[in-house]
Amino acid sequence: GAGVSQSPSNKVTEKGKDVELRCDPISGHTALYWYRQRLGQGLEFLIYFQGNSAPDKSGLPSDRFSAERTGESVSTLTIQRTQQEDSAVYLCASSVGTATNSPLHFGNGTRLTVT
Amino acid sequence: SQQGEEDPQALSIQEGENATMNCSYKTSINNLQWYRQNSGRGLVHLILIRSNEREKHSGRLRVTLDTSKKSSSLLITASRAADTASYFCAKGNAGNNRKLIWGLGTSLAVNP
Repeated sequence: GAGVSQSPSNKVTEKGKDVELRCDPISGHTALYWYRQRLGQGLEFLIYFQGNSAPDKSGLPSDRFSAERTGESVSTLTIQRTQQEDSAVYLCASSVGTATNSPLHFGNGTRLTVT
Repeated sequence: SQQGEEDPQALSIQEGENATMNCSYKTSINNLQWYRQNSGRGLVHLILIRSNEREKHSGRLRVTLDTSKKSSSLLITASRAADTASYFCAKGNAGNNRKLIWGLGTSLAVNP
């Protein structure tokens, strides 16, 4: 079946503009994660959705970042008033159960460049 | 914050040689996972090893876990140029079943 799909694959935006990143998880995967990865670095947890439970937003770096997910479907990550330090690859992953019990399936990411 | 590190940070070997990467952690885990990342994009899951397991195999990959030393190793045998990638370990903490704790990765270059 189809894997995790992210769009756009690349986004160049001007400082101060808002951007919206999209993630289509694998059908039936209840858990969805957003991560940020700066060049040459590891993965930085942003937010976690599990079914209809309240999301774990503890990784969002500032109130300019927000994410939504309706049920077990598509998720969007929104960054308002983008800054140059927001430039990174934003990765989405989904899994059948919790991440500590089942492997994550990643999309190819959105490479965000803020000029 | 991230806990634990992979080492080495970078590794360069010739095709056919074995590659060993290590991962350490600080708090109790219920599992540890290894992932591969090509060209800075999506990660691919390789192996998940649970805290009560000591070794797992998948093709040319072998993962060991030593909970007494709080460390894990990923061995790639008979490496190929296509194995060139970054390899990450991710720790599933016993006290939090939602988040994985990621290391900074080992960059492996396999030279033909």
